[in-house]
Amino acid sequence: EAQVTQNPRYLITVTGKKLTVTCSQNMNHEYMSWYRQDPGLGLRQIYYSMNVEVTDKGDVPEGYKVSRKEKRNFPLILESPSPNQTSLYFCASTDTAGGNYNEQFFGPGTRLTVL
Amino acid sequence: DAKTTQPPSMDCAEGRAANLPCNHSTISGNEYVYWYRQIHSQGPQYIIHGLKNNETNEMASLIITEDRKSSTLILPHATLRDTAVYYCFPVPTGFQKLVFGTGTRLLVSP
Repeated sequence: EAQVTQNPRYLITVTGKKLTVTCSQNMNHEYMSWYRQDPGLGLRQIYYSMNVEVTDKGDVPEGYKVSRKEKRNFPLILESPSPNQTSLYFCASTDTAGGNYNEQFFGPGTRLTVL
Repeated sequence: DAKTTQPPSMDCAEGRAANLPCNHSTISGNEYVYWYRQIHSQGPQYIIHGLKNNETNEMASLIITEDRKSSTLILPHATLRDTAVYYCFPVPTGFQKLVFGTGTRLLVSP
């Protein structure tokens, strides 16, 4: 089954404790992206990756890191989480054939709480 | 970015057609109109997109006005599982970022 998976689905942590949220897709998509969703603010892009070893900042990259060493994986790293990073996080991927990046497949989401 | 306006909420009876409007009066000539939906707190799901012609797929139909300043997403026979927040937004060709607004919360009732 074609899908985007994220782990963990739920995480409660404390300020300053490094964490990684994994994202994996099995569709051989070149493009992957991370979003966060907050009440009243909608979904905002954190980082995106056009292909392996190519990443770029989205609208709200501060406090986050990403890497793209393999095509299928795009982990989101919070080196020193803070309470304002409490949010619902989504990973997405898409096939870039034909230059159309916008039929994106989203993962199920990771609900992160930073105390 | 072009600004979109959608009603915050709509109701629809199960089995009836749901017509969700979107106003994108500042849309540019190279921007497609995209529709996504989000059921509860699941990941958003792509529904349909179009440039200027009407489009139909297995999920919905998209009607775009001739001046492209507004569009309507039609769910021809709404079911309870169509209860979701529906997002409409323009995206330029080849643009990598989706800019979700606040959308329309559609409630389908028995």
